[in-house]
Amino acid sequence: NAGVTQTPKFRILKIGQSMTLQCAQDMNHNYMYWYRQDPGMGLKLIYYSVGAGITDKGEVPNGYNVSRSTTEDFPLRLELAAPSQTSVYFCASSYGRPDWDGYTFGSGTRLTVV
Amino acid sequence: SQKIEQNSEALNIQEGKTATLTCNYTNYSPAYLQWYRQDPGRGPVFLLLIRENEKEKRKERLKVTFDTTLKQSLFHITASQPADSATYLCAHGGRDDKIIFGKGTRLHILP
Repeated sequence: NAGVTQTPKFRILKIGQSMTLQCAQDMNHNYMYWYRQDPGMGLKLIYYSVGAGITDKGEVPNGYNVSRSTTEDFPLRLELAAPSQTSVYFCASSYGRPDWDGYTFGSGTRLTVV
Repeated sequence: SQKIEQNSEALNIQEGKTATLTCNYTNYSPAYLQWYRQDPGRGPVFLLLIRENEKEKRKERLKVTFDTTLKQSLFHITASQPADSATYLCAHGGRDDKIIFGKGTRLHILP
């Protein structure tokens, strides 16, 4: 099993550009999450999904959009990149609610906006 | 607002000793706590989950406690090894579908 696969691993964007961070899992997990991790700030939840067709905002959703058309994929869209979106982005998944079991994380996407 | 705090930015422990990391929470009574390990440049890896009705959980050299009176979880690594050096994250959650992470504690096991 590949687990949670994130692409790309690194990306440099110019201010105002758009991009999509890809996340795919092959574990038939229902729940999927997007976090960003800034140095010394911990993981902040951006968006999450409890199943295909269902998404909800987390703590820091502004500037991002998501969709969940299939169980496997949960892409994160940045429409107008800003320097404040420079961060490491992690996608995670779990089979059920987080009080059942822990998350499986991807290896992250390091994004720099210049 | 819900707040979760982990003790100190870095903890240095001599190899072979027990490392103890602390996670405190305020303004909230989480239904469960999770602990993760994160190595530099990698995603977090899930270690243990403990629910509010459980006092203690163990997995090999790892032990987690959950004290709802003190509003605290302790994470212990016994017989610590240099390979245990990493950042350890505490996360708590309630009755909804998401968890909140602490900032983490960097643990250095000194040979």
